[in-house]
Amino acid sequence: QVQLQESGPGLVKPSETLSLTCAVSGGSVSSGVYYWSWIRQPPGKGLEWIGYIYFSGNTNYNPSLQSRVTISVDTSKNQVSLKLTSVTTADTAVYFCARVLSYHDSSAHRRDFDYWGQGTLVTVSS
Amino acid sequence: IQMTQSPSSLSASVGDRVTITCRASQSISSYLNWYHQKAGKAPKLLIYTASGLQSGVPPRFSGSGSGTDFTLTISSLQPEDFGLYYCQQSYSTPWTFGQGTKVEIK
Repeated sequence: QVQLQESGPGLVKPSETLSLTCAVSGGSVSSGVYYWSWIRQPPGKGLEWIGYIYFSGNTNYNPSLQSRVTISVDTSKNQVSLKLTSVTTADTAVYFCARVLSYHDSSAHRRDFDYWGQGTLVTVSS
Repeated sequence: IQMTQSPSSLSASVGDRVTITCRASQSISSYLNWYHQKAGKAPKLLIYTASGLQSGVPPRFSGSGSGTDFTLTISSLQPEDFGLYYCQQSYSTPWTFGQGTKVEIK
């Protein structure tokens, strides 16, 4: 059973950098079928996709955050990381990491978040 | 791609048939997924690729549609089905979610 566990500071000051780690157990971040993604949810609001990374290091970011976000993968530690710079109060949210199951062949395709971490609340405040 | 769900909320009785719709602002083929989220928890995948039932999800959940219009149906609402339901397109990045539909049990 795959498990994802987010960790990192729960409080970040405005203008500083938010840094989170997602530890993966029960599976390998190096598996070629999966991408690893970050999604966030401001309190009481909907879900926003932040970006994803493939084990090779290829990334894809939401244009709304692209100038401030970096997602990286550490295959030796089997974990994925998120950095978001120059944070403001608008970045206060629960941050989830999720596994993306993605394949496409002549008979079938899918691309979805099949496993999620429990999420971690990050508050941006001075 | 903008995803619009309707209704925004609904209240139904145990055993009722419930339908939630999701409309994409452009065609997304069948790259449409549905998630269920309870308060304080992570979303859980229910339906992938418009109609595929995720392993472990009860068969009372079903999905249909392609192109721009999609539907999630709960054939017989159960007490544990309360919460928020989100559709999500994975046709093109940035992947986007609907605004959510809140399901309450009468």
